[in-house]
Amino acid sequence: KAGVTQTPRYLIKTRGQQVTLSCSPISGHRSVSWYQQTPGQGLQFLFEYFSETQRNKGNFPGRFSGRQFSNSRSEMNVSTLELGDSALYLCASSHGQVSFLTGELFFGEGSRLTVL
Amino acid sequence: QQQVKQSPQSLIVQKGGISIINCAYENTAFDYFPWYQQFPGKGPALLIAIRPDVSEKKEGRFTISFNKSAKQFSLHIMDSQPGDSATYFCAAQRWGGSNYKLTFGKGTLLTVNP
Repeated sequence: KAGVTQTPRYLIKTRGQQVTLSCSPISGHRSVSWYQQTPGQGLQFLFEYFSETQRNKGNFPGRFSGRQFSNSRSEMNVSTLELGDSALYLCASSHGQVSFLTGELFFGEGSRLTVL
Repeated sequence: QQQVKQSPQSLIVQKGGISIINCAYENTAFDYFPWYQQFPGKGPALLIAIRPDVSEKKEGRFTISFNKSAKQFSLHIMDSQPGDSATYFCAAQRWGGSNYKLTFGKGTLLTVNP
């Protein structure tokens, strides 16, 4: 069973640009979550999508947005990049339903964004 | 507001020793407490998880101890091995509610010396 796939793995952008990151979840998983990981703040929740609907959103500015497609694949976009947006962006998939016994998240290896 | 506080930030243990990482939470609605392990260059992976209806859960060398009244839980790694060197994150969630996000601690970098 293929794991969570994130693309691109590494990217370098300059301030003011925008970036789009992609995530393909594990087959059968309908929930996709995005987290920002930085050395100082750890893992911070960005948003979660289930069946193309955003169910939860973290405390990030509106420059951070996402969407989910009918095949459960998800993208997140960051506009007007700032130096502080440099981070590892992790995507995680799960069943996302109460009927399953656990809320286990399966993470991808992340997209490392560097903003210059 | 940091809802899950994790300590220590870093930990160095000798091979064969016991590694202990502690977490404290604030939201009493949390009812699912997983620990994730992350190796360099990889995403976090679920290690072990507990619900508050039990005080301890053991899987191999890894044990979660849970104290509901104190709102604290900890990870114990017995007979620590160099291969356990990784970053460990505790997390908390209100499973089954309308909130489907995990709230993570800031992580503990564990180094096990041979």
